[in-house]
Amino acid sequence: GAGVSQSPSNKVTEKGKDVELRCDPISGHTALYWYRQSLGQGLEFLIYFQGNSAPDKSGLPSDRFSAERTGGSVSTLTIQRTQQEDSAVYLCASSLVFKGNPFFGQGTRLTVV
Amino acid sequence: KNEVEQSPQNLTAQEGEFITINCSYSVGISALHWLQQHPGGGIVSLFMLSSGKKKHGRLIATINIQEKHSSLHITASHPRDSAVYICAVHIQGAQKLVFGQGTRLTINP
Repeated sequence: GAGVSQSPSNKVTEKGKDVELRCDPISGHTALYWYRQSLGQGLEFLIYFQGNSAPDKSGLPSDRFSAERTGGSVSTLTIQRTQQEDSAVYLCASSLVFKGNPFFGQGTRLTVV
Repeated sequence: KNEVEQSPQNLTAQEGEFITINCSYSVGISALHWLQQHPGGGIVSLFMLSSGKKKHGRLIATINIQEKHSSLHITASHPRDSAVYICAVHIQGAQKLVFGQGTRLTINP
């Protein structure tokens, strides 16, 4: 596609439920990043993919968070047993190569009630 | 102390003024990014720098690797420049980007 696409754009879920967030990067971009932006806070790195592998998962806040990428393209971020502190905007970015110019999606606003 | 510090946190100016936003970092980096986040949340990459200076339209970004400092300048500022400007660095030897807290810029007509 023309840009990075994320879905859903908004998600409201009950505490304790699992959620899946999807990112479709720009076609041909090998690098894919997930970030989180909590209300009033700066951007926080979660995980980086090069192709289908994740060389850096250091930003995942707990073992409730996991992510995968298939076919060197679509990525899914899964949060299990959601907590209220998981409420944030989850942003995906892709770049042609590692450390290339990043292109950001519009984000998924997750609200845990 | 954050690895990436931006100043000022908030900046309000009149249309036409010259704007400077500063970014200092305390770690070795391989590249530095300036990002723009508009109300509504969309983020756009403005510049990626590893040395020297880059210019795009009214925007100029500079970096001094020895001093671990970068600046973003906006000439002839316009209300549409109102946004949050974010500095981010690729730490040397690591994959992740580390972000500053952002500078909220408001340009009044």
